[in-house]
Amino acid sequence: DIQMTQSPPSLSASVGDRVTITCQASQDISIYLNWYQQKPGKAPQLLIYDASNLHTGVPSRFSGSGSGTDFTFTISSLQPDDISTYYCQGHGTFGGGTKVEIK
Amino acid sequence: EVHLVESGGGLVQPGGSLRLSCVVSGFTFSGFWMSWVRQAPGKGLEWLANIKDDGSEKNYVDSVKGRFTISRDNAKNSLYLQMNSLRAEDAAIYYCARERVAARVALEYWGQGTLVTVSS
Repeated sequence: DIQMTQSPPSLSASVGDRVTITCQASQDISIYLNWYQQKPGKAPQLLIYDASNLHTGVPSRFSGSGSGTDFTFTISSLQPDDISTYYCQGHGTFGGGTKVEIK
Repeated sequence: EVHLVESGGGLVQPGGSLRLSCVVSGFTFSGFWMSWVRQAPGKGLEWLANIKDDGSEKNYVDSVKGRFTISRDNAKNSLYLQMNSLRAEDAAIYYCARERVAARVALEYWGQGTLVTVSS
């Protein structure tokens, strides 16, 4: 199975900050990388699919990039509602998650 | 509106079996790949298995191969997960999810989950 290494495990940032999360695959997965947001007690929600495509209804402050083994997820201007845990997913396998908090 | 509703969770003894169901509505079930994902309490997400729209192809994560079986009944708009030889580490919330068309295992709709507890 493919392994997905996500970092950092947690971060604290101020409202308006640019936030970046990285994800590394154990082998080349082309562009088949998705990003999810999960709030406590809720099912995850798809944000980005195929590395850089914004899912329907997702705010444009969220973006993704990368291909092969290295991927990046960015929140351009952190909002209070963005407090969540974010997961990358490649070929099914999820990364360990990044918990985002407000400083 | 798309809805996915899981059921069948509960308390089971180690070594026991459980069959989860996921009934969907609001879309043409037979047109989509479907997945099962689980989340142990306080832990991250683990993708378990998926099944092609017509049931002809199935994929599993190594940790459940040989113990779990994914299946579907398109006439009943239902997805299933048969879980055998359950272990303590299988305790989790189990979610069914619909995959986005032409995007590999991109899970665009999720159910609310059903809780499985494995304990003697």
